[in-house]
Amino acid sequence: AQTVTQSQPEMSVQEAETVTLSCTYDTSESDYYLFWYKQPPSRQMILVIRQEAYKQQNATENRFSVNFQKAAKSFSLKISDSQLGDAAMYFCAYRARGGNTPLVFGKGTRLSVIA
Amino acid sequence: SAVISQKPSRDICQRGTSLTIQCQVDSQVTMMFWYRQQPGQSLTLIATANQGSEATYESGFVIDKFPISRPNLTFSTLTVSNMSPEDSSIYLCSAAQSTEAFFGQGTRLTVV
Repeated sequence: AQTVTQSQPEMSVQEAETVTLSCTYDTSESDYYLFWYKQPPSRQMILVIRQEAYKQQNATENRFSVNFQKAAKSFSLKISDSQLGDAAMYFCAYRARGGNTPLVFGKGTRLSVIA
Repeated sequence: SAVISQKPSRDICQRGTSLTIQCQVDSQVTMMFWYRQQPGQSLTLIATANQGSEATYESGFVIDKFPISRPNLTFSTLTVSNMSPEDSSIYLCSAAQSTEAFFGQGTRLTVV
């Protein structure tokens, strides 16, 4: 079974600084998707960034980028120029490719942004 | 992208009663998923709902406690039956479409 591990229950960052959230996963599949979701107090799950495992290039979305290391099964999220609105729970998630499969989530990292 | 409307957004229920949560998707999706998020925890998959067949439940979740309906490709319900305070959680529905997964807004359930 696939597992996702987030080893940082809480992180904090100064406004305008950069922070990296860690995620590792375990799978025997060679093709899959990886995601970072943000969950603010509103409970809504917001997709931050997506990486397809067969793509070697790291995904980037504005201030958000990932460091995808397939051999190491590592998928970290870097948030640059942190803003107060970035404060939330961040979940790393895995989804197998092929068919309609559910997401497997890590335990989450609570990010605080200090003004 | 798909938009999922989930309701109710929150409810406070008496123990021993049941609550049905509804999710409406604005496009047809093959699979829908129901998750539970206990306070301060991650999302745990309850079951997968496929139209036209019985839902598939994960270990630790049973149909008698969490019956699911999936009458068509755009709608699903989850019922939390015979509730106890331990059922107080956020419940989220989700649908997969192509490479993405979409979520409803979540239902915050408090059982007193």
